[in-house]
Amino acid sequence: AQTVTQSQPEMSVQEAETVTLSCTYDTSESDYYLFWYKQPPSRQMILVIRQEAYKQQNATENRFSVNFQKAAKSFSLKISDSQLGDAAMYFCAYQRGGSEKLVFGKGTKLTVNP
Amino acid sequence: GAVVSQHPSRVICKSGTSVKIECRSLDFQATTMFWYRQFPKQSLMLMATSNEGSKATYEQGVEKDKFLINHASLTLSTLTVTSAHPEDSSFYICSAQTGYEQYFGPGTRLTVT
Repeated sequence: AQTVTQSQPEMSVQEAETVTLSCTYDTSESDYYLFWYKQPPSRQMILVIRQEAYKQQNATENRFSVNFQKAAKSFSLKISDSQLGDAAMYFCAYQRGGSEKLVFGKGTKLTVNP
Repeated sequence: GAVVSQHPSRVICKSGTSVKIECRSLDFQATTMFWYRQFPKQSLMLMATSNEGSKATYEQGVEKDKFLINHASLTLSTLTVTSAHPEDSSFYICSAQTGYEQYFGPGTRLTVT
């Protein structure tokens, strides 16, 4: 079974600084997708970034970028120029085949200090 | 962007009663919807996968007779918690699949007294 591990229960960063959230996963599949979701205090799940396993290029979305190391099965999220609104729970998720259920990690709580 | 709504956002019911939660995709059709449960300070736990026009697929350990799921149309899935008990109190979240992405509803907080 696929598993997703987030080893950092909590992280903190100073406003305007950069922070990296870690995620590793385990799978024997070759066709899969990886995601980072943000869950602010409102508890609405928001898609931050998505990476297709077949793409070597790391995905980026404005201040958010990933470091996808397929051989190491690592998928970290880098947040640049952190803002107070970035404070939230961040969940790493795995999806097989692009249309299957999501498997979530346990999450990392990010605090942004002014 | 794709929007998913849930109704109600909060519900309080008495032990032994049933409660229905609706999940709607507002601006797209979703052949597959998912129901999750989230305990405080924990991750999302998938309860079941709902496909339009067919029976839901439940995850191991989820009681299908207690958590009834109906996917009546391409835009609506419902979760009914039958004979609710205090231990069913939780935050329930649905999501709808379109293409390769899932969009999440805002969640429903269920409190059983």
